[in-house]
Amino acid sequence: DAMVIQNPRYQVTQFGKPVTLSCSQTLNHNVMYWYQQKSSQAPKLLFHYYDKDFNNEADTPDNFQSRRPNTSFCFLDIRSPGLGDAAMYLCATSSRRAETQYFGPGTRLLVL
Amino acid sequence: AQSVTQLGSHVSVSEGALVLLRCNYSSSVPPYLFWYVQYPNQGLQLLLKYTSAATLVKGINGFEAEFKKSETSFHLTKPSAHMSDAAEYFCAVTTTGTASKLTFGTGTRLQVTL
Repeated sequence: DAMVIQNPRYQVTQFGKPVTLSCSQTLNHNVMYWYQQKSSQAPKLLFHYYDKDFNNEADTPDNFQSRRPNTSFCFLDIRSPGLGDAAMYLCATSSRRAETQYFGPGTRLLVL
Repeated sequence: AQSVTQLGSHVSVSEGALVLLRCNYSSSVPPYLFWYVQYPNQGLQLLLKYTSAATLVKGINGFEAEFKKSETSFHLTKPSAHMSDAAEYFCAVTTTGTASKLTFGTGTRLQVTL
């Protein structure tokens, strides 16, 4: 089945230690998104790629970076995680902007 | 600019009762509207979507929603709640255009009791 895959599902890191979260998709979608979701809140868009075109949200901290080496994969890099970065990170894809977004299962990040 | 308001952060219904989750939107252009469900420690799963075709949209798991332009609403309903429906529900809106983004409501947690 076509799907969005996120690895790992749970990630524990130490304060200030760089961490990378992974997302892959078999849908061959052009657009890939990264969201941050804190407890009992709606997902918050961090950035998205339309093909290789990177689009950062104005309020996304510089601590968060992303890479998309090819159509199938997209990575979220947190350069120096703080305690406030503990959250669920969701990857989503869509064929075009404004089309339905399909979400992966998420990676829950814990910062110690 | 676009926005979504979900009335009621928590809704509790008895098993077998009607489920009604409210969503009102604001958009200066014709919107696309979505309902997603999220189970604990899971991603968001699409329940249904409205994209300017039929105003009554049927989704998975027996859910449906009706787009009412005059009321700027897109309420989610299910005739008979099941224990497995207990989850967080998000209404979301987007519009066409190169700057389009998905804007979520704050979510409604549905509790189903025996």
